[in-house]
Amino acid sequence: DTGVSQDPRHKITKRGQNVTFRCDPISEHNRLYWYRQTLGQGPEFLTYFQNEAQLEKSRLLSDRFSAERPKGSFSTLEIQRTEQGDSAMYLCASSLTWSGRETDTQYFGPGTRLTVL
Amino acid sequence: QKEVEQDPGPLSVPEGAIVSLNCTYSNSAFQYFMWYRQYSRKGPELLMYTYSSGNKEDGRFTAQVDKSSKYISLFIRDSQPSDSATYLCAMTVTGRDDKIIFGKGTRLHILP
Repeated sequence: DTGVSQDPRHKITKRGQNVTFRCDPISEHNRLYWYRQTLGQGPEFLTYFQNEAQLEKSRLLSDRFSAERPKGSFSTLEIQRTEQGDSAMYLCASSLTWSGRETDTQYFGPGTRLTVL
Repeated sequence: QKEVEQDPGPLSVPEGAIVSLNCTYSNSAFQYFMWYRQYSRKGPELLMYTYSSGNKEDGRFTAQVDKSSKYISLFIRDSQPSDSATYLCAMTVTGRDDKIIFGKGTRLHILP
């Protein structure tokens, strides 16, 4: 296993279109997180899953955003009716709850860079 | 006021110098403190992780946490051009599995 993977790496879309991103976490990691990072800012938490259950959603996650993790493995993040303000890097991270190992934490993927024209 | 404040830089230092990066925060409930390194167009990579107040050293990196002042620092000794990146301070309330609150990051340039 080579880490968290995200697809696509880049997405250019026109305003009003729907987009969907995929995240494949490290195998056996039961927690999966989505963050959004805009230029010059740190990542901001959007939502997270424990297995297939979505446990918390940020107020940043408007009604146009929906995330799923149907079988507790990969996750998708969909943005409907995209707006220019949605342009950002969307980062996925995964972790193993209560692994007991000092070095375990959230491992981040390379991100999907979204540009809305 | 944002929960975590971090000077965005950029910070330029000559190779071999000691680099000091820091953040302040407002939420006294934070207990777990981290530093991430992020290269351009890549995801953040964990550098240092500390719990509560104190110091932690790992090779050329030292992390310090002062909870009484709500202030954390990262020191890089013998800085190298490969250390050029954005450094993000980050913290959580309940542990490594909690949502992470990040600073905006400091861009660091090590000049050869």
